[in-house]
Amino acid sequence: SQKIEQNSEALNIQEGKTATLTCNYTNYSPAYLQWYRQDPGRGPVFLLLIRENEKEKRKERLKVTFDTTLKQSLFHITASQPADSATYLCAFYSGGGADGLTFGKGTHLIIQP
Amino acid sequence: GAGVSQTPSNKVTEKGKYVELRCDPISGHTALYWYRQSLGQGPEFLIYFQGTGAADDSGLPNDRFFAVRPEGSVSTLKIQRTERGDSAVYLCASSSGVSGTSGGGQFFGPGTRLTVL
Repeated sequence: SQKIEQNSEALNIQEGKTATLTCNYTNYSPAYLQWYRQDPGRGPVFLLLIRENEKEKRKERLKVTFDTTLKQSLFHITASQPADSATYLCAFYSGGGADGLTFGKGTHLIIQP
Repeated sequence: GAGVSQTPSNKVTEKGKYVELRCDPISGHTALYWYRQSLGQGPEFLIYFQGTGAADDSGLPNDRFFAVRPEGSVSTLKIQRTERGDSAVYLCASSSGVSGTSGGGQFFGPGTRLTVL
């Protein structure tokens, strides 16, 4: 079955720098993947979606890449701010009949002022 | 506008009891999903509704878990004979398209924290 790996250790970044989070997967490439932000005690909030045939997607300070050769997605936050501190989850949708998302464990990002 | 709401926000029950968790999706969203999230883990898919029917229930762990969506809006997740291992945050999400393929992703509620003593 599909396995998704995110670095579960906390990532500490200095304010103003670019934060880069990694999501690796095994087996087949998903039809598309999504990135979510989750704050303590809250449900995930959708950020970006990137399709299998897209290499890069941007939204304001956020950028997502998708490399089907490396079986990896990278999530970048430029000009990071303390308010960006949260857990970031990547999620795959495989397509076909199984319609729920498969999530990674998430990476806890801490932006230090 | 109103987002996805879930009630109760917290539920404490004893082992062996029956519980119901409710989800009110965003109005007009035809797709509804239930997930379960344990501490330090990502959400784990349980079941997906398209309209009134369960299109995919492959994530339900066993037959103690059941969900309904009789009128295509509100959904109830039902757990019989609860066990301590059922303790988790149960999340509900809705979307206007299949797994958010419209580009908007899934909209999650705040979750119900279930504790089985």
